[in-house]
Amino acid sequence: EVQLVESGGGLVQPGGSLRLSCAASGFTVSSNYMSWVRQAPGKGLEWVSVIYSGGSTYYADSVKGRFTISRHNSKNTLYLQMNSLRAEDTAVYYCARVRAGFDPWGQGTLVTVSS
Amino acid sequence: QSALTQPRSVSGSPGQSVTISCTGTSSDVGGYNYVSWYQQHPGKAPKLMIYDVSKRPSGVPDRFSGSKSGNTASLTISGLQAEDEADYYCCSYAGSYTPYVFGTGTKVTVL
Repeated sequence: EVQLVESGGGLVQPGGSLRLSCAASGFTVSSNYMSWVRQAPGKGLEWVSVIYSGGSTYYADSVKGRFTISRHNSKNTLYLQMNSLRAEDTAVYYCARVRAGFDPWGQGTLVTVSS
Repeated sequence: QSALTQPRSVSGSPGQSVTISCTGTSSDVGGYNYVSWYQQHPGKAPKLMIYDVSKRPSGVPDRFSGSKSGNTASLTISGLQAEDEADYYCCSYAGSYTPYVFGTGTKVTVL
């Protein structure tokens, strides 16, 4: 079964850092495009970042220079390193495979940035 | 990259059809045939309903259909059912700089 499971969310102070993980099963992360999408409380979906199978990475302007997407091939896991966190980064963060659309999605992990 | 524009809400009675629009620009919706649609129930992860403008993944009912004209894509739900009540989001490929953009989201209410 193709599945994604996120972890690593939690409460962090403004200016702090957090690393999210997304463990994949049923397919190989490094052979696919993989993305992070977030959803602030009560708001819509916002694309955050993507890593292509060849290793190229892209970011939304709102996180560029602060977030880094990466993967660990032997662990079949996707990561999102988030630095210099702001209150507006508070959201549920989803990982997803990007093939014909975003599918599947993980269950999401909540990141709360607050003092 | 600005979010694609969707109506805030649409509604219909069971059995009726509703159509959700998704308006972008020639740099996203109008420039590529890579529009997808997602259904999201409260507290759940989004689910892919349509990809590449009009293709349905396995398991998605054929009541769901997609189309595109110019800079506007559309999702039509025919024979509306109670379980279709959810939020719906479009998404488009937008080129190599910031590759993806989501729509603002539409709440579908079944009356």
